[in-house]
Amino acid sequence: SAVISQKPSRDICQRGTSLTIQCQVDSQVTMMFWYRQQPGQSLTLIATANQGSEATYESGFVIDKFPISRPNLTFSTLTVSNMSPEDSSIYLCSGGGGTDTQYFGPGTRLTVL
Amino acid sequence: QKEVEQNSGPLSVPEGAIASLNCTYSDRGSQSFFWYRQYSGKSPELIMFIYSNGDKEDGRFTAQLNKASQYVSLLIRDSQPSDSATYLCAVKGAYNQGGKLIFGQGTELSVKP
Repeated sequence: SAVISQKPSRDICQRGTSLTIQCQVDSQVTMMFWYRQQPGQSLTLIATANQGSEATYESGFVIDKFPISRPNLTFSTLTVSNMSPEDSSIYLCSGGGGTDTQYFGPGTRLTVL
Repeated sequence: QKEVEQNSGPLSVPEGAIASLNCTYSDRGSQSFFWYRQYSGKSPELIMFIYSNGDKEDGRFTAQLNKASQYVSLLIRDSQPSDSATYLCAVKGAYNQGGKLIFGQGTELSVKP
């Protein structure tokens, strides 16, 4: 299995600012993904982070709002831009394991005031 | 129709009983099926995955897959209070869908001592 860490674990931000979340995997993985989980809800996929190319975004999510980088096979960042209170959520990254399974990081709890 | 559907629960079972969690999916081309457990305030933890029709057992957990009926289930034998959590069913689509997982809304399980 892959071990995934995220930074920061939580943050409180002001409206209109941006926050970059980092995701580090302990081994090279083919696939990395970013999810959002709002209180009491299931996981919603934001985008697939592609190594060396632009991320693939799901319907309802755009690059200007959620720019993603993936410079190598073990690291990715998600930026939440121009934040509003509606962006308050838990943001999770995941990485694909050797058996094509996905493992999750501990999440970043974001509160926007 | 949602792509992946689960009963939201809560499902309450007495300690020592069998808990049965069910999931249906709409994409007949789906290839892989996963069960995650999520404790309150924590990130999802992979419990089981299954690719082929039939049963797959791992300790107290059994995953069952019926592709003809588009149905996957998770049985937890000898349920313990520590099994109380939300269980998320996730489905990986056809090979041309980039390996992303689609999650159900989760079933909350409560095991009463």
